[in-house]
Amino acid sequence: GQQLNQSPQSMFIQEGEDVSMNCTSSSIFNTWLWYKQDPGEGPVLLIALYKAGELTSNGRLTAQFGITRKDSFLNISASIPSDVGIYFCAGQLPGANSKLTFGKGITLSVRP
Amino acid sequence: GAVVSQHPSRVICKSGTSVKIECRSLDFQATTMFWYRQFPKQSLMLMATSNEGSKATYEQGVEKDKFLINHASLTLSTLTVTSAHPEDSSFYICSARGTGTEKLFFGSGTQLSVL
Repeated sequence: GQQLNQSPQSMFIQEGEDVSMNCTSSSIFNTWLWYKQDPGEGPVLLIALYKAGELTSNGRLTAQFGITRKDSFLNISASIPSDVGIYFCAGQLPGANSKLTFGKGITLSVRP
Repeated sequence: GAVVSQHPSRVICKSGTSVKIECRSLDFQATTMFWYRQFPKQSLMLMATSNEGSKATYEQGVEKDKFLINHASLTLSTLTVTSAHPEDSSFYICSARGTGTEKLFFGSGTQLSVL
């Protein structure tokens, strides 16, 4: 089956630093989505990407849809303490009933 | 972004009882809703896909008689955990997709604890 790889499982950075997270797949996806999940909450959509090569920003967040359609990255610039959480990538094939395939998530810690 | 409301946020029940979790799309019509289960420090595991007015499609290994899903309207889906047991304790999350969009929006989750 399709799998998305996110590593490392945890990342520790200093407040103010930039951080980049990568997500790779053995399969091609038509849509890539990045979510952030806080403890005890549901995931919140950060950025959605729909075309290979697409680069999209949302405030301090920037994400790109890889040219091969098998990978995506998320950059967070000038990190702040509230960036702490679990970041999931998700890939999706076309179709109204198409399921999301999730990565295992990266837990980000930001030291003040 | 679109709002998906999930209720209750936390429930504690005795073993053998049934628990119903509601998922509502507040500002859009959700033709498809998904139900996930998440264990601590794990990713989301898809349980089932529900379409309004039709039977849910369950993932392999998920008991459909155990986890009853009803998607009676374009804004409401419910998940009922029947005869709950301690091993059913988990974080359950719903998500909804509106018509003509690839984006999936999630509810805030329900923490189920079965004693």
